[in-house]
Amino acid sequence: GENVEQHPSTLSVQEGDSAVIKCTYSDSASNYFPWYKQELGKRPQLIIDIRSNVGEKKDQRIAVTLNKTAKHFSLHITETQPEDSAVYFCAANPSRHGSNYKLTFGKGTLLTVNP
Amino acid sequence: NAGVTQTPKFQVLKTGQSMTLQCAQDMNHEYMSWYRQDPGMGLRLIHYSVGAGITDQGEVPNGYNVSRSTTEDFPLRLLSAAPSQTSVYFCASSSRNEQFFGPGTRLTVL
Repeated sequence: GENVEQHPSTLSVQEGDSAVIKCTYSDSASNYFPWYKQELGKRPQLIIDIRSNVGEKKDQRIAVTLNKTAKHFSLHITETQPEDSAVYFCAANPSRHGSNYKLTFGKGTLLTVNP
Repeated sequence: NAGVTQTPKFQVLKTGQSMTLQCAQDMNHEYMSWYRQDPGMGLRLIHYSVGAGITDQGEVPNGYNVSRSTTEDFPLRLLSAAPSQTSVYFCASSSRNEQFFGPGTRLTVL
């Protein structure tokens, strides 16, 4: 089955700096890669996703890049703010159909943005 | 539009007891899933459904049963609770573009 590795497990940055979280996956058939943000005691919420026919996607301060050859994808957050502090999860779908209901998750990155 | 709802929010069980975690969605989504979240482990897929009457196993299905008699409801049953099933359980409902999570159920098995 699919295996998703996520690094680092913790990341501390100063407000205004950039943060990068990296994930690798094992199943070359995977073609949907979402990123979720989870605040303490809350449910995971989708912040950005990318499909395998796209190399990069941006949404304001957040961007995701995908390298299918190397089987890795990354989350980039620029101009970090204290409210970006949370646990971030990457995920991949072990399916050829681009489904989003059968995801394999990384173990998460605790991002702390210091004021 | 309530989205995805889960009940109960908290539950304490004794080893060997059975119970059902409820999940409902009002978005008319075909796809629903159950995940468990343990510290340092991320979310792991337990079971999923691609429509009423159709379910399948995920990564960690042992000890759990599901059924999908309607589009709206996708209950998760613990047959005989074990301490290893202490976890936070999230139900999710998916459109073609996004997976929405419920608020979660925190289960403790003593």
